[in-house]
Amino acid sequence: DGGITQSPKYLFRKEGQNVTLSCEQNLNHDAMYWYRQDPGQGLRLIYYSQIVNDFQKGDIAEGYSVSREKKESFPLTVTSAQKNPTAFYLCASSIDPLAGDTDTQYFGPGTRLTVL
Amino acid sequence: AQTVTQSQPEMSVQEAETVTLSCTYDTSESNYYLFWYKQPPSRQMILVIRQEAYKQQNATENRFSVNFQKAAKSFSLKISDSQLGDTAMYFCAFMKPFLNTDKLIFGTGTRLQVFP
Repeated sequence: DGGITQSPKYLFRKEGQNVTLSCEQNLNHDAMYWYRQDPGQGLRLIYYSQIVNDFQKGDIAEGYSVSREKKESFPLTVTSAQKNPTAFYLCASSIDPLAGDTDTQYFGPGTRLTVL
Repeated sequence: AQTVTQSQPEMSVQEAETVTLSCTYDTSESNYYLFWYKQPPSRQMILVIRQEAYKQQNATENRFSVNFQKAAKSFSLKISDSQLGDTAMYFCAFMKPFLNTDKLIFGTGTRLQVFP
């Protein structure tokens, strides 16, 4: 089945540790996105990537890093510099926005990160 | 900057009845897209409906329809024949395409409870 997978579903981290959240898609989408969701708030954009080996900061990129070595994969690392990392993280993908034909973003099931 | 406002934190409706969720947005752009996403207890974000601003006709998807009032910058979602499975958080989102990213801007959500 085509879709977006995120792993793990739940992740626990000790303060001072870096952790990496996985996002994989087999939809052949060019663009991929990472969002953070906090209680009582909508989603906020962390990073996005329109093509392989290229990515840009979103609204709340501080304390996060990403890579885009393959079209299918867009892992997010939450570093120890992120002051309040406990949140729900959602990955999304869409077809190439640079093609001038905007399409809908489709979301993965999310990862719940808790800092102990 | 664009903003999206959902003024109803919580709504409830009886099964088989109709409910309308409100959304207003602020933008100076003339070409954009609007979305409603549903987030059930599983927390997966699911696309409900999408509206292109240049289209005068309101979008519909089965039991879901929108009332798009461009001049008033209003984008409400109507759910007809409500079902228990419609219980979820509903997020309104705005997208200005053709920039360096198709960035989604989300409202804070409306929690909908459908009662039997």
